[in-house]
Amino acid sequence: EVQLVESGGGLVQPGGSLRLSCVASGFTFSTYWVHWVRQAPGKGLVWVSRISSDGSNTKYADSVKGRFTISRDNAKNTLYLQMHSLRADDTAVYYCARPLPETKNNLDVWGQGTTVIVSS
Amino acid sequence: QSVLTQPPSASGTPGQRVTISCSGRNSNIGSHSVRWYQQFPGTAPKLFIYRDSQRPSGVPDRFSGSKSGTSASLAISGLQSEDEADYYCAAWDDSLNGLLFGGGTKLTVL
Repeated sequence: EVQLVESGGGLVQPGGSLRLSCVASGFTFSTYWVHWVRQAPGKGLVWVSRISSDGSNTKYADSVKGRFTISRDNAKNTLYLQMHSLRADDTAVYYCARPLPETKNNLDVWGQGTTVIVSS
Repeated sequence: QSVLTQPPSASGTPGQRVTISCSGRNSNIGSHSVRWYQQFPGTAPKLFIYRDSQRPSGVPDRFSGSKSGTSASLAISGLQSEDEADYYCAAWDDSLNGLLFGGGTKLTVL
């Protein structure tokens, strides 16, 4: 079964750091670009970041640029999102997502999400 | 405020045809293909349309997508109660150099 499972969310104080993980199974992880998308409580979907299959190409939303770092370990079938200088408006459910085969942005497989709460 | 503009709500009765619009710019819809996602509360989104009008396997053919210029639409024919959900459009944006989602449309089946 093709699956993405996120973890690492939790409660963190403003200014703090957190690292999210997303473990892939059921497909050849190393051949896919992968994304992080977040959704604040009661709000819409917001794209966060994207990384190429080999990790050499990364892109970020302006709202997280310089604070978040996307990376991957293809040997461990795992995607990461390192988050620093967290703010209240980073509070959201964070999803990792994989596109359709041979595409970059048609996000077809999604994890169940991990919740990040930034609060004092 | 999202650069891809969707109506916040839409509604229809069972069997009816409903259309949800998504308005963008040359830097996004005008230059790149559009996706549509369905999301139920508390669950992950599901890809319903990609490349403007293509349906992934398993998506009913009651759902169709179209695009003209800098606007796109999702049409749902033969509306069913289980179609009641949030729908989001998305497209790559050259100005932002990132993937852009619309604000979402809550579809209610009356």
